Amino acid sequence: DQQVKQNSPSLSVQEGRISILNCDYTNSMFDYFLWYKKYPAEGPTFLISISSIKDKNEDGRFTVFLNKSAKHLSLHIVPSQPGDSAVYFCAASGNQFYFGTGTSLTVIP
Amino acid sequence: KAGVTQTPRYLIKTRGQQVTLSCSPISGHRSVSWYQQTPGQGLQFLFEYFSETQRNKGNFPGRFSGRQFSNSRSEMNVSTLELGDSALYLCASSLRREGNEQFFGPGTRLTVL
Repeated sequence: DQQVKQNSPSLSVQEGRISILNCDYTNSMFDYFLWYKKYPAEGPTFLISISSIKDKNEDGRFTVFLNKSAKHLSLHIVPSQPGDSAVYFCAASGNQFYFGTGTSLTVIP
Repeated sequence: KAGVTQTPRYLIKTRGQQVTLSCSPISGHRSVSWYQQTPGQGLQFLFEYFSETQRNKGNFPGRFSGRQFSNSRSEMNVSTLELGDSALYLCASSLRREGNEQFFGPGTRLTVL
């Protein structure tokens, strides 16, 4: 049973525009949420995280929003750059890390 | 500081064989987790080791096993390989458990023929 879901397998965005990647989860006991970025032939790299006691965390061009009532997490990238093209995984931390299936982001120059 | 290393990077085996994959975590990291990544399935948690003890196990058959050594290096073993075991196996280390970000290695690409 997938406890963390990313329902959009792919997303294309023009360079300079906003990219919004979404993630839903089922377990209200998760206490920490993370986003990872993965390039081909490399392992995922940590991007940004948010504690369940917060609703927003910002780091440069990346902002993560958490809506606990909706059990929904989103990552905003503004402005999007071609180098942001990668697969993005959201993850939730409980007794273990649960990962979504990933969203492939393509930023078009 | 050196990152997480995994060996080998690529492996080709035949059905019925067994395989051992190795992971060296970042120095000082005591938690090592293993994941299986297949197309469309995301990262599926295999198991986590902390201070040489398995702390958590995912929903995989007993053919999948692992261990951690006193220097925090970890190995995972898959016995009686099946075609469906073809995947990218990722190892991740972290300083401690619960909520801390994980640092991933490049993975071992296993192909079972």
